[in-house]
Amino acid sequence: DAGVIQSPRHEVTEMGQEVTLRCKPISGHNSLFWYRQTMMRGLELLIYFNNNVPIDDSGMPEDRFSAKMPNASFSTLKIQPSEPRDSAVYFCASISGLRTDTQYFGPGTRLTVL
Amino acid sequence: DAKTTQPPSMDCAEGRAANLPCNHSTISGNEYVYWYRQIHSQGPQYIIHGLKNNETNEMASLIITEDRKSSTLILPHATLRDTAVYYCIVRPALSSSARQLTFGSGTQLTVLP
Repeated sequence: DAGVIQSPRHEVTEMGQEVTLRCKPISGHNSLFWYRQTMMRGLELLIYFNNNVPIDDSGMPEDRFSAKMPNASFSTLKIQPSEPRDSAVYFCASISGLRTDTQYFGPGTRLTVL
Repeated sequence: DAKTTQPPSMDCAEGRAANLPCNHSTISGNEYVYWYRQIHSQGPQYIIHGLKNNETNEMASLIITEDRKSSTLILPHATLRDTAVYYCIVRPALSSSARQLTFGSGTQLTVLP
């Protein structure tokens, strides 16, 4: 099992540029979560999907952030335009079905906005 | 979700048991105690969870007090690779409407050689 796959692992961009983070959940998992981690705020949920449908996006900071899950095996988190305060590590996690709450996390994408 | 309180840091000698406490005095009857850990620069990793009975798996043991207001995660023989931030999370299990995890500050466990 390959686990949750995220790309890129590191991203450095300039303020104002569009950034797209990608996530491939574990095959067969039907819930997907995007988290952000910073020193100041710790780990916080941005959005989660169940069966490709966004269930709770209350953690998305503002309209500059958007997330999509076009199919069960792929999700994107887009920031447009990016700002220095978006610098953080972004994690994707997935869960299999309704009979477990164990979340499997990806390795994260470290984003630096200059 | 019930709030949890953990010490910010702990040290443990390699090979000894590491006992990490967590207070969750406002836990309700349908809420489980989950433990995750995050090794530096990696994504969080599930360790164990329980409702009211003590639980054990290949990674750790979870001891929950009878009144369920606190719990202890036990790593029986800590190794240097167990150095990580350990998060205690309380939440309803299998709640289709609230499946996200709410992370607190956790406990930084440092295993010393």
